[in-house]
Amino acid sequence: AQSVTQLGSHVSVSEGALVLLRCNYSSSVPPYLFWYVQYPNQGLQLLLKYTSAATLVKGINGFEAEFKKSETSFHLTKPSAHMSDAAEYFCAVSDPGNTGKLIFGQGTTLQVKP
Amino acid sequence: ETGVTQSPTHLIKTRGQQVTLRCSSQSGHNTVSWYQQALGQGPQFIFQYYREEENGRGNFPPRFSGLQFPNYSSELNVNALELDDSALYLCASSLYRFDTEAFFGQGTRLTVV
Repeated sequence: AQSVTQLGSHVSVSEGALVLLRCNYSSSVPPYLFWYVQYPNQGLQLLLKYTSAATLVKGINGFEAEFKKSETSFHLTKPSAHMSDAAEYFCAVSDPGNTGKLIFGQGTTLQVKP
Repeated sequence: ETGVTQSPTHLIKTRGQQVTLRCSSQSGHNTVSWYQQALGQGPQFIFQYYREEENGRGNFPPRFSGLQFPNYSSELNVNALELDDSALYLCASSLYRFDTEAFFGQGTRLTVV
């Protein structure tokens, strides 16, 4: 069975500082991996996805993530946080043969301090 | 091109009642998935519909049922509502069944009292 663990339910950074949100996955097959962002009272927006091409994936709003098979990790980073990055972030995994079923982590709330 | 729209945005129901939530998929998308997001949790997969047929189901009881119509819009029906059904219900549409990009609607906030 697939699962996702997001380390840290809350992360607080200063504006301009590095953002690092951690995600570890468990999957019996090579997975597809995703990061989504959710702003208050809104649905989910796809930030980036890994689908077995390049291991370093660049997404929207300056975010990127690196797939590390040996560590079963897919951590999300951004070199310099902006106030508008404050939101809930979700890591998700799917089986390439069943991409409609996303398994989500518990989420990480990112707080950006001025 | 319109995105995924869900209605209503908010809903309050009494325990034991039935509810229907609606989702209009993005133009051209033939696959719709439904998720339940309890407060403070990640979304959980309920089921997916592809070309009007259920195509996978998560760990939800049969009182959660759905439909997809010829225009690919979809409904989620929940019977015999329980307090624990209170959640944000999200609909996501994809261009095709194995598409890796799902577009989410803003969700329907259901409160069961």
